[in-house]
Amino acid sequence: DSGVTQTPKHLITATGQRVTLRCSPRSGDLSVYWYQQSLDQGLQFLIQYYNGEERAKGNILERFSAQQFPDLHSELNLSSLELGDSALYFCASSINTPSSYNEQFFGPGTRLTVL
Amino acid sequence: ELKVEQNPLFLSMQEGKNYTIYCNYSTTSDRLYWYRQDPGKSLESLFVLLSNGAVKQEGRLMASLDTKARLSTLHITAAVHDLSATYFCAVVIISNSGYALNFGKGTSLLVTP
Repeated sequence: DSGVTQTPKHLITATGQRVTLRCSPRSGDLSVYWYQQSLDQGLQFLIQYYNGEERAKGNILERFSAQQFPDLHSELNLSSLELGDSALYFCASSINTPSSYNEQFFGPGTRLTVL
Repeated sequence: ELKVEQNPLFLSMQEGKNYTIYCNYSTTSDRLYWYRQDPGKSLESLFVLLSNGAVKQEGRLMASLDTKARLSTLHITAAVHDLSATYFCAVVIISNSGYALNFGKGTSLLVTP
């Protein structure tokens, strides 16, 4: 158990809908990362937040957005869902500061199925 | 754009045999990670390699890093069934204000009796 929690574990929804995935980082970790894992794209970095601020952005679609709240939990919002958004979404956290990088620890993931 | 290439992508090996998984990356980095993933599960950190020439071993797995060649290897010694999983290497991308991991496609390992 990495100490990173994600809810829900599974999510089934329809095309065109909007969902929110939630992540709580390890105690003391200020950085949160979101990754998408799909069969065709592999593991892709989406976005990083540090202490409430967006720090790095990867291949995140405009239909997707994220935020990190004052209590450091993070939410990933996916809207206008398409079949191709079906994937395993991971959250990771680390004790990064802006000037140093430390290992990321991954949560159990949320499996999203879009029908 | 940083590219991380693993090979092989699929590996079926007999118990007791040795094999090496290779991870090449396209730009300079001095930090490389190896993760293990069981089907439908999360990523488990195996090794953190932080400098050129770094070598780390845990049980039947040994990882090394050559930053000049931009190459990391994960060597499996005397494979056992419990090692069946997908193994990913990942390289840190450092931007002006943040960090991210860039993953290889993964090596799916099956160890058979």
